[in-house]
Formats: sequence, structure tokens, C-alpha cells
Amino acid sequence: QVHLQESGPGLVKASETLSLTCTVSGGSINNGAYYWSWIRQPPGKGLEWIANIYYSGNTYYNPSLKSRVTISIDTSKNQFSLNLNSVTAADTAMYYCARKPTGVAGSFDYWGQGTQVAVSS
Amino acid sequence: EIVLTQSPGTLSLSPGERATLSCRASQSVSNNYLAWYQQKPGQAPRLLVYGASSRATGIPDSFSGSGSGTDFTLTISRLEPEDFAVYYCQQYSTSPLTFGGGTKVEIK
Repeated sequence: QVHLQESGPGLVKASETLSLTCTVSGGSINNGAYYWSWIRQPPGKGLEWIANIYYSGNTYYNPSLKSRVTISIDTSKNQFSLNLNSVTAADTAMYYCARKPTGVAGSFDYWGQGTQVAVSS
Repeated sequence: EIVLTQSPGTLSLSPGERATLSCRASQSVSNNYLAWYQQKPGQAPRLLVYGASSRATGIPDSFSGSGSGTDFTLTISRLEPEDFAVYYCQQYSTSPLTFGGGTKVEIK
């Protein structure tokens, strides 16, 4: 069974860069059957898709965040990462990593437990 | 961007009752690439349904999805105590991938 685990600092200063890593176990990230994704959820609010990455390195971003976001993958470590720069209080959220199959089953079928990130002024 | 509108915002029901949740899209969702998730407090969302009507692995048959085009429904045939949660729909046919605002199913 695949397992995803987010890691990174829980507190980031405004205007700085938020960096998170998702470690995948129970399966290889170097697998063309899946995309690897980041999703966030501000406190008490709904879900927002941030970005996807394919094992080949192809990336897909939410236009609302594209100018500030970079997603990357390290197949040797079975990890993928998120960088979000110039953060503000609006970026305070629970950040989840998730797996997204290709094709008809291409919703988010496995999720990490999430990591809470707060932006301080 | 496809905007998903879920209704009602809150559904107050008793255990054993039937729940009907709606998700309406601002434009047609191609190939019925529409999923439903359940989220409980302090937990990550859990995939219930994909492709509008296919249950995910391990999901009981009390959960069923239906619909096509712009109108989709999640039905819980008989509410169990553990089914009281927030439910989200999500489309994956068009980028950016988007979620609905959620429906909270609470105990009446």
C-alpha cells in the first residue's frame, strides 16, 4: 500500500519561501501511471489544487499560483517537492501531497496526512 | 476554469436516513471526470467515487455517484454514524483542477 508523508517547516516568515517535501513509500514514484500532486486547505476552508508533476519531470500548475510555485521530483529518493515563494498570510494552510492516476481514475486516490504551515509577519 | 457549486451547504439528517448531495459545474465536465471525497475533522480527504460513478477501493456500496455533463450527485443510501463529515466534489477533466466548496452532513 502506497504511503505519502509531507515534511517541512511549520512556520514561514512573510515574503520568504515555503519548501515542502513529500516522501513516497510502498511504491515507486518513477511510474508512468501516476502524477504526483500538491493540494492545500486554508483553516476552515475548502481545497485548492496547487500543482502536479509527472515522473518525467513534466509539470502542471494552477494559474492562480503559477508565478510563485515550483514543483520538482527526485526519483532517486522517491520524493517530490514544493517551493512557494513570496508567501503571505493567505498562504497559511494545511498542505497535502497526493497521488493522481492518469486516465479515467485520475482523481487523488492516496493522500498524505498533511502538514500545517503558518505564515508569520 | 470550471467552477463547482455544491448544495446544500449543510445537510442535517439522522442516522439511517438517505443523503443526497449535489454538485453543479459551470461548464460540462468532459468524460465525466468527476470525483467525490469525504473529509473528517483533522484528517485528509478520502476518495469515495471517481469517474462520476465508480466507487474507489474499499468504499461501501451505500455510497453511489451519478450524473453527467454539468450535474452530479452523491447519494448515501443509509447514513451510518461514521458518515457524518464534509463531502467535496472535484473535476479533473480540465486544468486547473478544481474542487467544490463542500457539503457538511451533520447529525440532526
